[in-house]
Amino acid sequence: EAQVTQNPRYLITVTGKKLTVTCSQNMNHEYMSWYRQDPGLGLRQIYYSMNVEVTDKGDVPEGYKVSRKEKRNFPLILESPSPNQTSLYFCASSPWWTGGAWNTEAFFGQGTRLTVV
Amino acid sequence: AQSVTQLDSHVSVSEGTPVLLRCNYSSSYSPSLFWYVQHPNKGLQLLLKYTSAATLVKGINGFEAEFKKSETSFHLTKPSAHMSDAAEYFCVVSETGNQFYFGTGTSLTVIP
Repeated sequence: EAQVTQNPRYLITVTGKKLTVTCSQNMNHEYMSWYRQDPGLGLRQIYYSMNVEVTDKGDVPEGYKVSRKEKRNFPLILESPSPNQTSLYFCASSPWWTGGAWNTEAFFGQGTRLTVV
Repeated sequence: AQSVTQLDSHVSVSEGTPVLLRCNYSSSYSPSLFWYVQHPNKGLQLLLKYTSAATLVKGINGFEAEFKKSETSFHLTKPSAHMSDAAEYFCVVSETGNQFYFGTGTSLTVIP
């Protein structure tokens, strides 16, 4: 089954304790991205990756890191989490867009609910 | 700059009546537009997408949306609401395919 898998689904941690949220897709997609969802703000893009070893900042990258060493995996790293990073996080993947119209869709994981106390 | 405004944060309809969820967008180029649905405690599922082909786009579960460039709108409609349609709906715009901009969402309640 084609899917994007995030782990863990729920995480409670303390301020300053490094954590990693994993994301894996089995569709051979080049493009992957991370979003955070906060009430009243919709989803905001944190980082995205066009392919292996190619990453770029989205709209809210502060406090986050990513890496793309393999095509299927795109982990989100919080080196020193703070309470304002308490949120619902989504990973997404989609095939490569080569120009002209963007004519495909993003596939989303089930989400990771992170609480930083 | 690209952005999306969803004009209603909450919409309530009776089962069997029409649904209208409104979305206006801002874009310097010819954007691609999407509607996603999020059911409680679930991920996001694509309802439909517009990518410069037909302006009236049909999606899953009886939803459709019309792209109106002159009004910069991409409203989502459904002729008859079903209880299972109760969810959060997001309008999304993308010019480049690199970055996707989400609206703040519209919560749809369906009253039996």
